[in-house]
Amino acid sequence: EDKVVQSPLSLVVHEGDTVTLNCSYEVTNFRSLLWYKQEKKAPTFLFMLTSSGIEKKSGRLSSILDKKELFSILNITATQTGDSAVYLCAVQYEKLTFGTGTRLTIIP
Amino acid sequence: GAVVSQHPSWVICKSGTSVKIECRSLDFQATTMFWYRQFPKQSLMLMATSNEGSKATYEQGVEKDKFLINHASLTLSTLTVTSAHPEDSSFYICSAMRFGLAGGQRGETQYFGPGTRLLVL
Repeated sequence: EDKVVQSPLSLVVHEGDTVTLNCSYEVTNFRSLLWYKQEKKAPTFLFMLTSSGIEKKSGRLSSILDKKELFSILNITATQTGDSAVYLCAVQYEKLTFGTGTRLTIIP
Repeated sequence: GAVVSQHPSWVICKSGTSVKIECRSLDFQATTMFWYRQFPKQSLMLMATSNEGSKATYEQGVEKDKFLINHASLTLSTLTVTSAHPEDSSFYICSAMRFGLAGGQRGETQYFGPGTRLLVL
């Protein structure tokens, strides 16, 4: 059965800390892995990863994919209160399957 | 970037009525659109895949007679919740698949609409 698992489910850290969010998957005919940030409404796109070992970076956020071990991580450095959100990982094959999400709370 | 709109943003209706939600890709054509629903504090759940010009593909457990999907053009898909009941109250989100550059790489990327919040009384 295809599945996407994120960990941890919830994370609370202080502003300025660095966090690492995990996403592991088991799907057939993998095409890409995507990270989204969801605040109050629909998710917003962060990264799309298709190749192993190539880090994608955007400001304080970065992500990398390991297609051999079937996982991806999302790193956020020097966290800010505006980073508080649910971070969703989704794997694209014939369709798109989402993980359960990691709820990140940044304490000032 | 690619823009997907949904209409309406909010809808409150009485039990037993039908509600139609529109999803439009504003600046690109989308042969495939997806419909999701999300309960509070839970992840998105795929309901169905909508393909232009053909029947939608429904996920297991989703009643196709209850949630009617029509993808009549390359920029519009509609979801109709028929005979809505309070348990249908949820946040419904559509996404449209676009092939192109995203995050520096070519591929298909999902662009999400802002969502429609449905409350059935």
